[in-house]
Amino acid sequence: KNQVEQSPQSLIILEGKNCTLQCNYTVSPFSNLRWYKQDTGRGPVSLTIMTFSENTKSNGRYTATLDADTKQSSLHITASQLSDSASYICVVRLTSGTYKYIFGTGTRLKVLA
Amino acid sequence: DAMVIQNPRYQVTQFGKPVTLSCSQTLNHNVMYWYQQKSSQAPKLLFHYYDKDFNNEADTPDNFQSRRPNTSFCFLDIRSPGLGDAAMYLCATSRDAGTYNEQFFGPGTRLTVL
Repeated sequence: KNQVEQSPQSLIILEGKNCTLQCNYTVSPFSNLRWYKQDTGRGPVSLTIMTFSENTKSNGRYTATLDADTKQSSLHITASQLSDSASYICVVRLTSGTYKYIFGTGTRLKVLA
Repeated sequence: DAMVIQNPRYQVTQFGKPVTLSCSQTLNHNVMYWYQQKSSQAPKLLFHYYDKDFNNEADTPDNFQSRRPNTSFCFLDIRSPGLGDAAMYLCATSRDAGTYNEQFFGPGTRLTVL
């Protein structure tokens, strides 16, 4: 069964600290993996997209890694800010040519001053 | 600047009273999607259009219908809303099926069923 699991479910950190969110997937055939940021009451916004041949991709203070062998990805947030408080969703897309996206349930991050 | 627009942002309806949610896009994308997202859950794909071709997910209830009269607009019709249909409804678009094809999401419509 195609699944995307994220951990932790929720996380609280202090402003300025770093954190890492995890995503494990059992999706096949794999096309690419995306990380989205979803603010409360808003739609998801894309942070990074990686294919199986890409190991890492950065977007400002966000750095995503992908290990296609172990089917794991992580999202590292550096020097967190209050505005980073949101849900972070890992989404895996099945092979190109289809429109199937498998969503994780997200990690809810709270950054405290 | 808005690329995927959803109206209304908040919708309140009564049990069993039909409701229509709308989505429009300024990206001229071929594909439009409707997702249902309940609290603390992942978005669940209801259906998508590639141009005018409609694709329904197997587990989408018959209570949910969709229309896409042109490239820019897509509607979600809930014929007889039940309490379990209260959720955030997300519209998304993508240009096509390419590998780096990105989904752009609207801000969502939060539906309350009384």
